[in-house]
Amino acid sequence: GAVVSQHPSWVICKSGTSVKIECRSLDFQATTMFWYRQFPKQSLMLMATSNEGSKATYEQGVEKDKFLINHASLTLSTLTVTSAHPEDSSFYICSARGLAGLMNYNEQFFGPGTRLTVL
Amino acid sequence: QQQVKQSPQSLIVQKGGISIINCAYENTAFDYFPWYQQFPGKGPALLIAIRPDVSEKKEGRFTISFNKSAKQFSLHIMDSQPGDSATYFCAAGTGGTSYGKLTFGQGTILTVHP
Repeated sequence: GAVVSQHPSWVICKSGTSVKIECRSLDFQATTMFWYRQFPKQSLMLMATSNEGSKATYEQGVEKDKFLINHASLTLSTLTVTSAHPEDSSFYICSARGLAGLMNYNEQFFGPGTRLTVL
Repeated sequence: QQQVKQSPQSLIVQKGGISIINCAYENTAFDYFPWYQQFPGKGPALLIAIRPDVSEKKEGRFTISFNKSAKQFSLHIMDSQPGDSATYFCAAGTGGTSYGKLTFGQGTILTVHP
């Protein structure tokens, strides 16, 4: 149980285009989803916290107009990288946190990640 | 104050040996300390986690030792195997209004030689 999927697993796009990444909790409802960015050989950097039905909370330094997050249901959150540029190339990972009381309330389950390459 | 400092940056261990990775934190509000294992090109996977009300937790070959007064915790991998070669991250988190947000350490690249 507690499986999180991401789609696509990798994407290559041209500079200036927008890319949407989906994060789904497959066998549990996730009240909170998190989006991370990871550069090669570096740690995970939290970009934003997303709660179902409300606006995402972005970390300092993350442009909310560039990284659009939508958490439309308890099993789906999307990250859209708008007007992507080569410096946005990175590994994007989502995680999901289950409903309090049904799971360890702090436990996060991570997706497999999406490799974005912007040419 | 939100930082979690992890060491060493890299670690090489012989098969059958013990791998030890350490983490330190400053924020006393942290109440959840997980360790994650990550293979190249994959998302992190939860290995083991501890809360500050216990000093040690063991699951199979993996043990977390927690020192609340020193604000330090460590991961011990007993009988290390080549398949354990991966990057390990410690993290710390809180519940409440932070929605369980985690702060990650810098990561340790573990290599287990056969």
